[in-house]
Amino acid sequence: QKEVEQDPGPLSVPEGAIVSLNCTYSNSAFQYFMWYRQYSRKGPELLMYTYSSGNKEDGRFTAQVDKSSKYISLFIRDSQPSDSATYLCAKGGGNSGGYQKVTFGIGTKLQVIP
Amino acid sequence: GAGVSQSPSNKVTEKGKDVELRCDPISGHTALYWYRQSLGQGLEFLIYFQGNSAPDKSGLPSDRFSAERTGGSVSTLTIQRTQQEDSAVYLCASSLGGRGVVETQYFGPGTRLLVL
Repeated sequence: QKEVEQDPGPLSVPEGAIVSLNCTYSNSAFQYFMWYRQYSRKGPELLMYTYSSGNKEDGRFTAQVDKSSKYISLFIRDSQPSDSATYLCAKGGGNSGGYQKVTFGIGTKLQVIP
Repeated sequence: GAGVSQSPSNKVTEKGKDVELRCDPISGHTALYWYRQSLGQGLEFLIYFQGNSAPDKSGLPSDRFSAERTGGSVSTLTIQRTQQEDSAVYLCASSLGGRGVVETQYFGPGTRLLVL
């Protein structure tokens, strides 16, 4: 079992829809959770970062962590064609060599259709 | 300011040849990471450098892979005797390098390697 499981999609939605992207993780020691966005032929860039459980909102994006079920979610409201990208969930922790190693999910490819 | 840069952007090589991939991190970032991204596998950690400390090589898939970081800045990932399964996008990232915390990693655009 991978440490972070994520459905690769692709997920196709109409413009304006609410998008829900999800991941599960297997090691409850982790406390830092991130979402990276990766456009085609580019490197990933940090979108949102949360610590422990709860919600964090940033504009149209909401990140949610449920530690009891080991579930990570990213919601995108009023989705736009410019949101079309691959979204990678990630978790930090499992201290190795004095730093917090980050483990990434496989990424979900999202397409928002105008 | 300048972000992480990688070269070459694309590399096509023949099976059995050696390749070198270069990464220039953001100035002032002491932590540097290499990842491999292939279809169906996601981002696979390869190696981590932090300042002058010994690198964490735990993700290197075989002894054909090696990396070095000169002067705490530029890094080179070398793949010897390339195999077709080495075909992937190789991504480099850097971060400020604060120990004990999870930091934002800034990624370069990657090098697309194709082994024929």
